[in-house]
Parts: sequence; C-alpha cells; structure tokens
Amino acid sequence: GAGVSQSPRYKVAKRGQDVALRCDPISGHVSLFWYQQALGQGPEFLTYFQNEAQLDKSGLPSDRFFAERPEGSVSTLKIQRTQQEDSAVYLCASSLVRGEAFFGQGTRLTVV
Amino acid sequence: TQLLEQSPQFLSIQEGENLTVYCNSSSVFSSLQWYRQEPGEGPVLLVTVVTGGEVKKLKRLTFQFGDARKDSSLHITAAQPGDTGLYLCAGALIDYKLSFGAGTTVTVRA
Repeated sequence: GAGVSQSPRYKVAKRGQDVALRCDPISGHVSLFWYQQALGQGPEFLTYFQNEAQLDKSGLPSDRFFAERPEGSVSTLKIQRTQQEDSAVYLCASSLVRGEAFFGQGTRLTVV
Repeated sequence: TQLLEQSPQFLSIQEGENLTVYCNSSSVFSSLQWYRQEPGEGPVLLVTVVTGGEVKKLKRLTFQFGDARKDSSLHITAAQPGDTGLYLCAGALIDYKLSFGAGTTVTVRA
C-alpha cells in the first residue's frame, strides 16, 4: 500500500483481556516503530525494529507489552492482561531515511 | 518526561494572521522534524531540519533550526482554517529514536 496501515482503528477491551494490534509498514521500509500517545500528549517511543530484529524495546511500559515482526514486514503489538492505564492511541511508523518517520492512523485502545 | 518543550500549548487566531510555535530543549539533536496531526489521524511529516541555523520554507510555513541544534520554530504566514491542527516537533537523539514534544494545538478561525 501507499502508506502505513494499522488495524483495528478502534479497540475496546475489558480489563484483563489480551489485545493484538497490527501494523503494515510502507513496502521497502526496513525500520518500524511503535509509539504510544496519551490524550493531549505527544507520542512516546515504545520499540524499534530493523527488519525482523527488535533493536530497542526500552520504551515498553511493562512485561505485559510484547512486539514482534517475524518476517521483517508486518508487525504486531500485543498487550496482555490490559489495564485502564493502557488506554491510548498506539501509533506505528516506518522509515527509510534516518530520523524521519511515516505514521499510520493509529489504533485507539480503550480499556473498560 | 519529554525532552522537547513546545510553546504555546494552545493558539487560536483569526484567518489571515501570522503565528509562531516554539520548540526548545537542553539537548542537541542530530535532526529535528515537524509534524501536523489532525483528530483521529497519525502525525504527518512536514519537514526535517538537520543543519544548525537552517531555514526551510514550505509555502506559507517557515521552519528554523537553532544554531546549536537545540531549538526550532515554525512560523505560519497568513494562516488559513486548513492550518488547524496539532503541531508536533520531534528530535532525533539517537538516529532512529524520535523524542516528541507535547504539541501545540492551533485553531484558525474563519
């Protein structure tokens, strides 16, 4: 596709439920990022992949958060046992040029 | 804690007026980006500045990178309602990791 595609666009989860968020990056972009954006804030870095290798996961808030990109293309962010504080917009971005990122529309997660 | 401080947080102006948004930090960045984000959408890249003192123009938008590569500004001339949105600056400390400011919400009234 022409841009970064994320699904679902909206997800409502009951507290304690596991969720999986999908990201389809721009074709040919080796770098992929996940960010978390709370209401009224800028995006916060979660994790970074170069091809299939997860080179940095320092921003993941807890061990309930897990990301993978097994074939160096599509990525999935999984959150286990969701809690209310996990409610946010999760943004995926891909990059070809150092420092520039192209973002998807995001997945708005609401934990009730 | 966000490394980049943006000001003002909110800005509401009349169509045709000019505006400036500031982005400041005590850290030195290898590059700095400006994004615009509309409700329900992801941030859209407007520009990347790399060299200290660099000025880039994009139609009515002028971006400046500070000489020390710690700060930046975005100036919009003759703002239009289509310029309404959340403006985010983001700096690259390590080449791949962007640190974002909290954003400036700009509203241009017709």
